[in-house]
Amino acid sequence: NAGVIQTPRHKVTGKGQEATLWCEPISGHSAVFWYRQTIVQGLEFLTYFRNQAPIDDSGMPKERFSAQMPNQSHSTLKIQSTQPQDSAVYLCASSLSGGDNQAPLFGEGTRLSVL
Amino acid sequence: GMPVEQNPPALSLYEGAESGLRCNFSTTMKGVQWFQQNHRGRLITLFYLAQGTKENGRLKSTFNSKERYSTLHIKDAQLEDSGTYFCAVESNNYAQGLTFGLGTRVSVFP
Repeated sequence: NAGVIQTPRHKVTGKGQEATLWCEPISGHSAVFWYRQTIVQGLEFLTYFRNQAPIDDSGMPKERFSAQMPNQSHSTLKIQSTQPQDSAVYLCASSLSGGDNQAPLFGEGTRLSVL
Repeated sequence: GMPVEQNPPALSLYEGAESGLRCNFSTTMKGVQWFQQNHRGRLITLFYLAQGTKENGRLKSTFNSKERYSTLHIKDAQLEDSGTYFCAVESNNYAQGLTFGLGTRVSVFP
């Protein structure tokens, strides 16, 4: 089991371009989480899916950010019109059900650099 | 202020030494998780606690919901223990995800 797989590992975009980040959760895990990590803010929750349905996106910036989970094997985080402040490591995690006592397992993240 | 505070921000240890990390929360939380972030950036789950104490090898963690803190104790530190340790707390509504502290950077020296 390769764990949670995130691609690409690194992405560099120019200001104003679109960036799409991919996450493949662990097979059999029905809960998928996206987090963002920066030096200043630390790790921040962005959004959460269970059985492909969006449950909570309260951490997502209201503009330019969107997340989808079209099937149980992958989720995407899309950032439109990227800005330098979007530069961060974006982490995806999955767990069996997202409920109590289900510690999520994290991928290695995608480092996004917006120039 | 930050809902989750971790202390110290950084910690240096020699091999074989022991030390503790602390995580304080501003409100009562349902559970706490401790992670180690390795040099590749992956977050490795160390513990999940809803109460009490858990031990795994050289690591031990406690969670006191009433007093609003959790601790992680490292015993007989090894070089591979180097990394950043995060505590993350779980509110009563799990759908809100985890709230992380800023981490403690641990460096173990030979």
